[in-house]
Amino acid sequence: AQKVTQAQTEISVVEKEDVTLDCVYETRDTTYYLFWYKQPPSGELVFLIRRNSFDEQNEISGRYSWNFQKSTSSFNFTITASQVVDSAVYFCALSEATKAAGNKLTFGGGTRVLVKP
Amino acid sequence: DTEVTQTPKHLVMGMTNKKSLKCEQHMGHRAMYWYKQKAKKPPELMFVYSYEKLSINESVPSRFSPECPNSSLLNLHLHALQPEDSALYLCASSKQGVEETQYFGPGTRLLVL
Repeated sequence: AQKVTQAQTEISVVEKEDVTLDCVYETRDTTYYLFWYKQPPSGELVFLIRRNSFDEQNEISGRYSWNFQKSTSSFNFTITASQVVDSAVYFCALSEATKAAGNKLTFGGGTRVLVKP
Repeated sequence: DTEVTQTPKHLVMGMTNKKSLKCEQHMGHRAMYWYKQKAKKPPELMFVYSYEKLSINESVPSRFSPECPNSSLLNLHLHALQPEDSALYLCASSKQGVEETQYFGPGTRLLVL
């Protein structure tokens, strides 16, 4: 069975500090897909990034960056120069192929990020 | 446009009521999903529809009844719910395929009294 672990339940930082969110996953699939979502207090899950297992290039998008390391089964997420608007719960997720149509996401427990002014 | 809409935003219902949650997307996605999310927990998959047919039911109690009337709409009919069913109900849609991204709606916050 697939599993995603986000060991940090809550991180509190002061604005402009960097924050790194850890994500470790387990899967027997050789091809798989990893995602990060942001859930602000309003409740909607906002898609941030998708990464496939055969592309280990790190990615930067504005203040966000992602470090995918297949050797350690990790897909970490860094917010640089955090802002109050970054306060949210962040979920790491792993997509699972199923015999039925449609994919299943296995979510980590989420990390709550609180950015103080 | 990656918008999934859900109505209502909030819903309060008694245990004997019948109500429905609605979800709509116009991205041409042929897979649609219902999730349930309790406070401080990750979303839990309830149902998956693929090409308007139910493909996955995660052993959800029969008091939750999904319906997909067409490729853009997904409903969740609620009847005889329990207080422990109070949660945020999220709808999502995606193209077919394990690699595809699921896009979520804003959710319906349900309170069962």
